Amino acid sequence: SQTIHQWPATLVQPVGSPLSLECTVEGTSNPNLYWYRQAAGRGLQLLFYSVGIGQISSEVPQNLSASRPQDRQFILSSKKLLLSDSGFYLCAWSVGEHNYGYTFGSGTRLTVV
Amino acid sequence: AQTVTQSQPEMSVQEAETVTLSCTYDTSESNYYLFWYKQPPSRQMILVIRQEAYKQQNATENRFSVNFQKAAKSFSLKISDSQLGDTAMYFCARRGGGSEKLVFGKGTKLTVNP
Repeated sequence: SQTIHQWPATLVQPVGSPLSLECTVEGTSNPNLYWYRQAAGRGLQLLFYSVGIGQISSEVPQNLSASRPQDRQFILSSKKLLLSDSGFYLCAWSVGEHNYGYTFGSGTRLTVV
Repeated sequence: AQTVTQSQPEMSVQEAETVTLSCTYDTSESNYYLFWYKQPPSRQMILVIRQEAYKQQNATENRFSVNFQKAAKSFSLKISDSQLGDTAMYFCARRGGGSEKLVFGKGTKLTVNP
């Protein structure tokens, strides 16, 4: 069966420090991968998505970047975190027909202090 | 922009009663897909139900059903026999027929009271 792993679950980082959040998918090949951010009490904002290795589409210009070094690995990074980067980050994957939604990871709560 | 609107930021319902959450969307496509996701306090996103726009029959999953009005671009979620475990944020989402992206509404916070 397909599973998605996202870590860490919680992270507290100082302003100006780097960030690396990792997401991996098991049990499927060539998934579409997504990074979403959810600010406190708000909806989900699509940050990046990838349809293949090395293919990254950015939805919102910002302090973050994404990479897909392997088929089932998606990494969200920042060189220098801002206070405004705090939030709940969700990784998701989808495959096949568009009538299927996404399957989400358990999320990372990032607090920048 | 293709938007999804949930006009009810918060709702509450008594246990065992029925509640309907509203969702409207904007699209110029004829083929697309609609979803309701549930996010309980654990914050895990869980797919509740999905609807394909070319299907006229409303989707049903156990106590969850939708009222899909394509002409009105409306996609409401009905929860019957509400349970305490239904307490969560509920997000409506739309995916275009040729798009990889899922667009979400801002969510409705549902509280089921004992």
